[in-house]
Amino acid sequence: AQKITQTQPGMFVQEKEAVTLDCTYDTSDPSYGLFWYKQPSSGEMIFLIYQGSYDQQNATEGRYSLNFQKARKSANLVISASQLGDSAMYFCAMRAGTYKYIFGTGTRLKVLA
Amino acid sequence: EAQVTQNPRYLITVTGKKLTVTCSQNMNHEYMSWYRQDPGLGLRQIYYSMNVEVTDKGDVPEGYKVSRKEKRNFPLILESPSPNQTSLYFCASSLISRGRGGVGNEQFFGPGTRLTVL
Repeated sequence: AQKITQTQPGMFVQEKEAVTLDCTYDTSDPSYGLFWYKQPSSGEMIFLIYQGSYDQQNATEGRYSLNFQKARKSANLVISASQLGDSAMYFCAMRAGTYKYIFGTGTRLKVLA
Repeated sequence: EAQVTQNPRYLITVTGKKLTVTCSQNMNHEYMSWYRQDPGLGLRQIYYSMNVEVTDKGDVPEGYKVSRKEKRNFPLILESPSPNQTSLYFCASSLISRGRGGVGNEQFFGPGTRLTVL
């Protein structure tokens, strides 16, 4: 069965420091995609970064990078130089094989001034 | 402006009264999907559609119906709502990638519909 696990319900980080949000996944399909979305308190869902199972390099988008460890089935999101505006709920998601998407339960990040 | 719109944004209704939540996208996306978000459970996929007249069940389809008669619209129908369907609902759309793996396209989400069933 396909599954996404986010084990950190909540995290704190000091402004300007880096933070890693954990995500592990499970699928038997060799072809899959991993996504991270941000949900601020206003409620909208914002796409951050994508990693494909065949990608050789870790994805990066500005201050966001994805630490992809295929053998461990982990796809952790790294946010560098945290800003107050990074305070939000973060969801890891996967699409594997079919057109179904699986989301994790989310991690609520609070950036401290 | 490229966007996914949902209506209504907020709805309070009573058990058993049929309702429809509309979803429309202007990006010519083939793929559309509905999710519900509940505290502690993240987002769970209700139904999705790969193109006009092609729909399939997600993980939590019970109590919901969908239709895809036009490419831009993907309404969610609750024929007999119950209190356990009280939730925040999101519609999303994306291209269907034709690249390697075919799984690479991010979804664009609507603003959400907060539904309360009394």
